[in-house]
Amino acid sequence: DAGVIQSPRHEVTEMGQEVTLRCKPISGHNSLFWYRQTMMRGLELLIYFNNNVPIDDSGMPEDRFSAKMPNASFSTLKIQPSEPRDSAVYFCASSFPQETQYFGPGTRLLVL
Amino acid sequence: AQSVTQLDSQVPVFEEAPVELRCNYSSSVSVYLFWYVQYPNQGLQLLLKYLSGSTLVKGINGFEAEFNKSQTSFHLRKPSVHISDTAEYFCAVSDESNTGKLIFGQGTTLQVKP
Repeated sequence: DAGVIQSPRHEVTEMGQEVTLRCKPISGHNSLFWYRQTMMRGLELLIYFNNNVPIDDSGMPEDRFSAKMPNASFSTLKIQPSEPRDSAVYFCASSFPQETQYFGPGTRLLVL
Repeated sequence: AQSVTQLDSQVPVFEEAPVELRCNYSSSVSVYLFWYVQYPNQGLQLLLKYLSGSTLVKGINGFEAEFNKSQTSFHLRKPSVHISDTAEYFCAVSDESNTGKLIFGQGTTLQVKP
């Protein structure tokens, strides 16, 4: 298996632009997690899905952030409009329910 | 509320020396415990996990951890470290509601010096 796939790996954009991060979970996994990692705040869970349904989005910072999982093999995290403080590494992880989470390589986002 | 505390933010150690990275958690119910490693510019990778059974858990790359319920600890150890072990290490505990969420500690940076 290719593991969790994230795209793009790097993204540089200007403040105010829309950013879309993509994730393809491991085939068969039905839990998917989005995390954000910064030096100041460490690793934060933003939102997670079970069977394509958002279960807990309490970690989403504000309305500028949204996440979707239209099917079992694809999820997006969108930031609109982006701000410099959104600069971070965003990770996607997937798992079987209550099992080990497998992380993707991350998307490094820089908002200028 | 659940929490995970990694007592050291940075641990410098010389190559071939032993190391222990400390992790304490708080929970009112039985939980699962994990250690993940993050090498520079990479995602997190599972080192080992405790679900049940033997309290001494062996993982990849020669690491092991011991679950101590009375002390609510899950310290990570390696008897002899290599330069390649330089990385950030995260301790995590499963959410009490058993939803699959993990509560992560703040991480410990292991710096192995030649």
